[in-house]
Amino acid sequence: AQSVAQPEDQVNVAEGNPLTVKCTYSVSGNPYLFWYVQYPNRGLQFLLKYITGDNLVKGSYGFEAEFNKSQTSFHLKKPSALVSDSALYFCAVRDSNSGGYQKVTFGTGTKLQVIP
Amino acid sequence: DSGVTQTPKHLITATGQRVTLRCSPRSGDLSVYWYQQSLDQGLQFLIQYYNGEERAKGNILERFSAQQFPDLHSELNLSSLELGDSALYFCASSASGGAVGDTQYFGPGTRLTVL
Repeated sequence: AQSVAQPEDQVNVAEGNPLTVKCTYSVSGNPYLFWYVQYPNRGLQFLLKYITGDNLVKGSYGFEAEFNKSQTSFHLKKPSALVSDSALYFCAVRDSNSGGYQKVTFGTGTKLQVIP
Repeated sequence: DSGVTQTPKHLITATGQRVTLRCSPRSGDLSVYWYQQSLDQGLQFLIQYYNGEERAKGNILERFSAQQFPDLHSELNLSSLELGDSALYFCASSASGGAVGDTQYFGPGTRLTVL
């Protein structure tokens, strides 16, 4: 079975500082990993994904994520946080062994608060 | 804008009633997924349809049902509504039913309030 964990309910960071939102996963095969962002009263917006290849994945709005197979992690990062980055962030995983359909498991979400 | 549309945006109804939520996927996408988001349960996968056929089932109650029509739009039917069904319901779509790297794109959601 596949699972994903976001160990922090909330992350606070000062504007201009680097930010990290943590995500760890568990799969039986190879992981396909995704990050989404949700602004208040909006749907989830796709930020980036890791399928294979380079461990550092670049996405929308200056975000990037680093895939670490040995630590089974896929942390979301940004070099310099903006107040407008304040939102709810979801990590998601799909196991390559999940068969012919796309069952994606979402984490519980991490609220990012960027303080001016 | 993801290209996925959902109607209505808001729905207020009473316990015991039945409602229908509608979703139109992105142009060219064959899969539609339904999710329920509530404060205490997070984002829960309900069901997936691919090209008109049910593909995967998650934590969907028997009181809930869905279908995908030939034009690929989908409807989620919720019946015998209870207070606990109040939540945000999201639809997502993806190009295929399970290809490697297939990405789900989410609609803006329907907020259901059961009084």
